[in-house]
Amino acid sequence: EVQLVESGGGLVQPGRSLKLSCLASGFTFSNYGMNWIRQAPGKGLEWVASISSSSSYIYYADTVKGRFTISRDNAKNTLYLQMTSLRSEDTALYYCARRGYSGNWFAYWGQGTLVTVSS
Amino acid sequence: DVQMTQSLSYLAASPGESVSISCKASKSISNYLAWYQQKPGEAYKLLIYSGSTLQSGTPSRFSGSGSGTDFTLTIRSLEPEDFGLYYCQQYYEKPLTFGSGTKLEIK
Repeated sequence: EVQLVESGGGLVQPGRSLKLSCLASGFTFSNYGMNWIRQAPGKGLEWVASISSSSSYIYYADTVKGRFTISRDNAKNTLYLQMTSLRSEDTALYYCARRGYSGNWFAYWGQGTLVTVSS
Repeated sequence: DVQMTQSLSYLAASPGESVSISCKASKSISNYLAWYQQKPGEAYKLLIYSGSTLQSGTPSRFSGSGSGTDFTLTIRSLEPEDFGLYYCQQYYEKPLTFGSGTKLEIK
């Protein structure tokens, strides 16, 4: 069974940093691209970042480019999102999701970890 | 960016009925479209990709259609467990974008 478990969320002040993790199990992690997606309270879904299976290709939404860094450790089956210069508008539930086998759909999702940016 | 529009934010129906949820792209995305379901307390679930291909485990009462800019998710003979939120997503180009969602509730 595919499982994605996010962690690392919490309350953080504007301008500070936070690092999210996503532990994957139930599939060969090193074979799949991974993604971060977020959902602000009462809002819709926003794709944040993608990373290919070997970290060769990385993409970001314009809203986070230059502030967030996606990375992965295939030996640890873990996906990361380093978030810096956090803003109130980054407040959201952050999901990790596995890429589809042959396309950029999101085949499996975690339950999310909540990031609240507030002073 | 490709804007995805789900014109109906809310839809009420009774078990046993059939419903259709529409999704419109701001430009042609071929069939690079996926549908997701979210139920309270559960992870998002992929239902359909490539516009009409059912993800393994998706019941056959679900179907997807469309190509280009107009897409439809149809659920035949609604079951109680089908009620929830439905989102479309384009993966024709980055940034990957989602519709605003359609909440399907029990009438």
